[in-house]
Amino acid sequence: NAGVMQNPRHLVRRRGQEARLRCSPMKGHSHVYWYRQLPEEGLKFMVYLQKENIIDESGMPKERFSAEFPKEGPSILRIQQVVRGDSAAYFCASSPPTGVWGTDTQYFGPGTRLTVL
Amino acid sequence: AQKITQTQPGMFVQEKEAVTLDCTYDTSDPSYGLFWYKQPSSGEMIFLIYQGSYDQQNATEGRYSLNFQKARKSANLVISASQLGDSAMYFCAMREAGTNAGKSTFGDGTTLTVKP
Repeated sequence: NAGVMQNPRHLVRRRGQEARLRCSPMKGHSHVYWYRQLPEEGLKFMVYLQKENIIDESGMPKERFSAEFPKEGPSILRIQQVVRGDSAAYFCASSPPTGVWGTDTQYFGPGTRLTVL
Repeated sequence: AQKITQTQPGMFVQEKEAVTLDCTYDTSDPSYGLFWYKQPSSGEMIFLIYQGSYDQQNATEGRYSLNFQKARKSANLVISASQLGDSAMYFCAMREAGTNAGKSTFGDGTTLTVKP
């Protein structure tokens, strides 16, 4: 049973380019979450998606960042016109359909390390 | 608002000894889950242990146990018989069941170094 898959593992972009990060959840998981980890810090929530729906995007920067989880295919986190401050590790997590208490364990992918030159 | 505090930036432990990593939390939601993750130098996030707010017993998973003190709002991770491979960053996290269901809030982490 494959875990959460993320690609690419490392991504280098120049300022102003676009970055596209992909995440395939674990089999049977329909909920996807994106987190960002700056150096020497904990993970910060960005967005929570279900298939074709954005459930909570309260952690997403207002501009340049977008996320989707289409009916078919992986979830995509897109960062347009990247700046140096976007350099970070971006983690995707997935969980099964939320139970009554909404506290199902989130399983994380290996992360994508984005470096903006 | 949910908040996680890990007050120990770094901890050292001798191999084969036990170590406790502290975590306190703040929430107004009566239903929540507490999680510990391990992040080795390779960077991945590894789930270790889960404790639900209504669980009567402290959670245990092999050498990991969670010392859950609800009244104090603390959820400390205890690692017994430390191994060199336990050297890593450890994060405490919380998810609420109410309007914030979905997002996990993470502490800033504790770096554990196991000495031979």
